[in-house]
Amino acid sequence: DQQVKQNSPSLSVQEGRISILNCDYTNSMFDYFLWYKKYPAEGPTFLISISSIKDKNEDGRFTVFLNKSAKHLSLHIVPSQPGDSAVYFCAASAGGSRLTFGEGTQLTVNP
Amino acid sequence: GAVVSQHPSRVICKSGTSVKIECRSLDFQATTMFWYRQFPKQSLMLMATSNEGSKATYEQGVEKDKFLINHASLTLSTLTVTSAHPEDSSFYICSAGAGGLGEQYFGPGTRLTVT
Repeated sequence: DQQVKQNSPSLSVQEGRISILNCDYTNSMFDYFLWYKKYPAEGPTFLISISSIKDKNEDGRFTVFLNKSAKHLSLHIVPSQPGDSAVYFCAASAGGSRLTFGEGTQLTVNP
Repeated sequence: GAVVSQHPSRVICKSGTSVKIECRSLDFQATTMFWYRQFPKQSLMLMATSNEGSKATYEQGVEKDKFLINHASLTLSTLTVTSAHPEDSSFYICSAGAGGLGEQYFGPGTRLTVT
């Protein structure tokens, strides 16, 4: 049972444009959501998070939006840069520190 | 940010042997560490949750006698893959929880290849 789903395995955008990565979840007990970035043969690095009491959190070029009624969150990167090319994972927790990850989306930012 | 190291980064072993992977939190104390496995183009699958000074909690389908986890101190957890087989070949990643809200800091991973 895949409780966190990233339906787009890949996304390609032009440098300077906006990248939008999407994530859906099914478990209504999830109350904290995170995005991680991962390069090949490396561990994921934390990007940004959002609590279920909020609908938006912004940190520099990264903004995460949460739509609880739709059980959907998205990560916006603007402007996109070639160095942003990586696999992005969304993750969710239902209190505590145990995380459930999505399958990941490979973002490619073309110069 | 918090730094987590893993050793070794890459290991090749023969079928039937055991391999130990270390995970260390370098600049903070981690009461909880997590072990994940990632197959190519797949998500990170949680294998077990390791709490300092107590037995690890394994996810469904993960053999605790095959994947031995020890969390002897607040900065070190080890995963031992016993009697490794080629199907155990994977990318193993540990993480350390630095708070109660779900943020985890990941190690760089260990590529295990069993021949």
